Amino acid sequence: GAGVSQSPRYKVAKRGQDVALRCDPISGHVSLFWYQQALGQGPEFLTYFQNEAQLDKSGLPSDRFFAERPEGSVSTLKIQRTQQEDSAVYLCASRENPYTGELFFGEGSRLTVL
Amino acid sequence: KQEVTQIPAALSVPEGENLVLNCSFTDSAIYNLQWFRQDPGKGLTSLLLIQSSQREQTSGRLNASLDKSSGRSTLYIAASQPGDSATYLCAAMDSNYQLIWGAGTKLIIKP
Repeated sequence: GAGVSQSPRYKVAKRGQDVALRCDPISGHVSLFWYQQALGQGPEFLTYFQNEAQLDKSGLPSDRFFAERPEGSVSTLKIQRTQQEDSAVYLCASRENPYTGELFFGEGSRLTVL
Repeated sequence: KQEVTQIPAALSVPEGENLVLNCSFTDSAIYNLQWFRQDPGKGLTSLLLIQSSQREQTSGRLNASLDKSSGRSTLYIAASQPGDSATYLCAAMDSNYQLIWGAGTKLIIKP
């Protein structure tokens, strides 16, 4: 695709529900990142994939957060038993190279947990 | 541990002015530094990427400089326009290939 695509753009969940956020990176991009962004703050790193391998998940805030990229393209971030503190914008980004180069972001998925 | 700071947090200037946004980092061992723009409710748009071996990059009215020895990068915007109003973020790639982010500068260009 022409850019990084994320869906849904907006998601409202009741506390305790499970949610799944999808990211479609730029075709051929090896690296894929998930970030969490609170209002007025810079993005906070969650996890990183190189192709299908999840090389770094040190930023995932709890074991309720799970990410996968099974075929090295589309990625899904899953949040189980959502809590109010999970409310944020979840950003996906991709990069052509494994380690350096320009990072391209999607529009983000705004999650609101009631 | 690398830390990235952007000062000021907010800036308001009249249309037409040239302006400079600042980004400072504590560890000079970076691979690159990237400037982004974020409009309200939107994702981040890449503006300029400066490799560690470069001193500056230019795109249209934007010019970004990098001085690793002083731990500073600046984003210069010439002849500002109301459409430039957005939050500008910088991110430095550290020696572990991690991006370390500033909190951003919210820029308002008054018509």
